Order: sequence, then C-alpha cells, then structure tokens
Amino acid sequence: DAKTTQPPSMDCAEGRAANLPCNHSTISGNEYVYWYRQIHSQGPQYIIHGLKNNETNEMASLIITEDRKSSTLILPHATLRDTAVYYCIVRVSGAGSYQLTFGKGTKLSVIP
Amino acid sequence: EAGVAQSPRYKIIEKRQSVAFWCNPISGHATLYWYQQILGQGPKLLIQFQNNGVVDDSQLPKDRFSAERLKGVDSTLKIQPAKLEDSAVYLCASSSGTAVGTQYFGPGTRLLVL
Repeated sequence: DAKTTQPPSMDCAEGRAANLPCNHSTISGNEYVYWYRQIHSQGPQYIIHGLKNNETNEMASLIITEDRKSSTLILPHATLRDTAVYYCIVRVSGAGSYQLTFGKGTKLSVIP
Repeated sequence: EAGVAQSPRYKIIEKRQSVAFWCNPISGHATLYWYQQILGQGPKLLIQFQNNGVVDDSQLPKDRFSAERLKGVDSTLKIQPAKLEDSAVYLCASSSGTAVGTQYFGPGTRLLVL
C-alpha cells in the first residue's frame, strides 16, 4: 500500500471548517483513500473513503486532487467532539477484507 | 446493532506474568483483527482471522503472543510471558468483508506491564 504523509497536529476554531491534508504521491490506480479518526480512549472510527471523485457523507467531505497525489478531509462545522487523531490510509479496495496500515495521523484540536 | 465488545478494559500485570484479552465481534462479521497501539503511534496489525482461520499473523511475536478464534466468533489474544514493551492498547476490529472493507473497532484493552 502507498505511504501517506500528514501534519502531526492542527488547530481549528469551533464552528469553522477543519481542512486536514494528506499526501499520497505514490498512490496506485487501484488504491483508495480512506479516513479514520480516533477519539481519546476509543477505537478508530471510519469516516469516509474515495477513489477519484470527491465524496461527501453525513460526517465529512473528501476532496481528492486530479492527479490523486493528495487529498483533503473537510469537517464543515467542527465541534469540540471532533477533537481526535485523524488517519489517512491508502489501500486497495474490493471484495475481501484488506488490512489497514496506520501512520501517526494528525491530531486535530478544536478550540472553543 | 451492537458494536465490537472487548474485555477487560484495563489490566495491570508484572513482567513475566501472562494475560489474556477477549473480543466479541459484530454479529455476522467473518473477519476479525487484533491491533497493538503503543502510546503516540497508530494501531499496528498483529493478526487477522477469516472465520476461524488465520489470514495473516506475520507481525505477531509468536514466541510470546498467541491468538485463537474458536467457532469463528469470539477471539482471545494471549501474552505469555509479558515484557515491559508490551504495555499498549490492544484493539479488536471486525469486518463483514464487503468491497468497502470498513473495519469496526472495539474500545480496546489498555495493558500496563510493570
């Protein structure tokens, strides 16, 4: 699986959009971008994933650049409960249960 | 739908003692994973089961760690004997094996080895 690079930490004001970047310059054509987050003392939680097109769900939006070498996770209106470590993971998708390789992620702090 | 259950939530042991962790995955999920998460790092996969068979245990320290998944449902992870560097959170996750492959994680067991 391709390696990802994320900033170690970010701050965001409550109510503002949080934009978390991820670089994955060695991504292959059949690899998806996945985002998970881990709130303190909890297990990681799936947020969203995408291949080429931008994706949106009830939790967040995922913007993938046209060359697919980087992406941004957007939390449109950050709340204090969004304070967590956010992991960007690149892996092959398809039928079956593929493994997740976690890096250190980005620690997002939402400030009141 | 009930989530992934793990017990105990916390455990403190002396080095060289043994310890066991239990995991009950989401009902119907064929795939089960055990991860180790050391403080300040992301989770690291230890072992992956598909039903009651091992798919990948390449990162499991087999001289001291063992895991089993009887009847393809619950799983136990054992450490014997424990070392100081085994202090970590042990996470269990399960997946239904669909194309998305979303993994659902339990709350973890926090182990401290003194």
